[in-house]
Amino acid sequence: GNSVTQMEGPVTLSEEAFLTINCTYTATGYPSLFWYVQYPGEGLQLLLKATKADDKGSNKGFEATYRKETTSFHLEKGSVQVSDSAVYFCALRLALSHTGNQFYFGTGTSLTVIP
Amino acid sequence: NAGVTQTPKFRILKIGQSMTLQCTQDMNHNYMYWYRQDPGMGLKLIYYSVGAGITDKGEVPNGYNVSRSTTEDFPLRLELAAPSQTSVYFCASRGPGGRSSYEQYFGPGTRLTVT
Repeated sequence: GNSVTQMEGPVTLSEEAFLTINCTYTATGYPSLFWYVQYPGEGLQLLLKATKADDKGSNKGFEATYRKETTSFHLEKGSVQVSDSAVYFCALRLALSHTGNQFYFGTGTSLTVIP
Repeated sequence: NAGVTQTPKFRILKIGQSMTLQCTQDMNHNYMYWYRQDPGMGLKLIYYSVGAGITDKGEVPNGYNVSRSTTEDFPLRLELAAPSQTSVYFCASRGPGGRSSYEQYFGPGTRLTVT
């Protein structure tokens, strides 16, 4: 079936460290891919997206490239800040013939950045 | 624009009690969703709606009911609360797709405990 798999957390990094959060997906068809971020006590917010293979989504210093050959959409940031501490969710959207657009979310990866 | 608002923020229910979680959006979005977020389990779709008067079941609808009498409101009803319904509930909405790229806008969540 369709699904999203994220690396398990929690992840703890020092400020200015390099971040990678792995995300792979299984999907029939051609999904759009998303990263959402959830800050403490808040709902999820869209961080970045990519709608087709080889697209790169970017926002706030975060990047992710839609890799069809490896079915991956790994999130990266070159230098994390304390304010990046949050839970990060990978998600995909598929247009299914009988049920319309369906969304699948990963389990989330908690990131803590320490000064 | 308030976006998506949810009330209450927190609630403790006794087993067998009922309650309604409120969700309102002011973005004139047709699509609305209810998710539950269990620890380490990501988001699971409970119910969704593609417009006023139209609702459909998601992945985990048992024990819940919804209605959509207006575009703005999408309340979630819990009948006969059970401990398994202890979770954080998120309401989300989105526009029609296309240029909005299917981004979902989330409310801040309701933390429900059933004891």
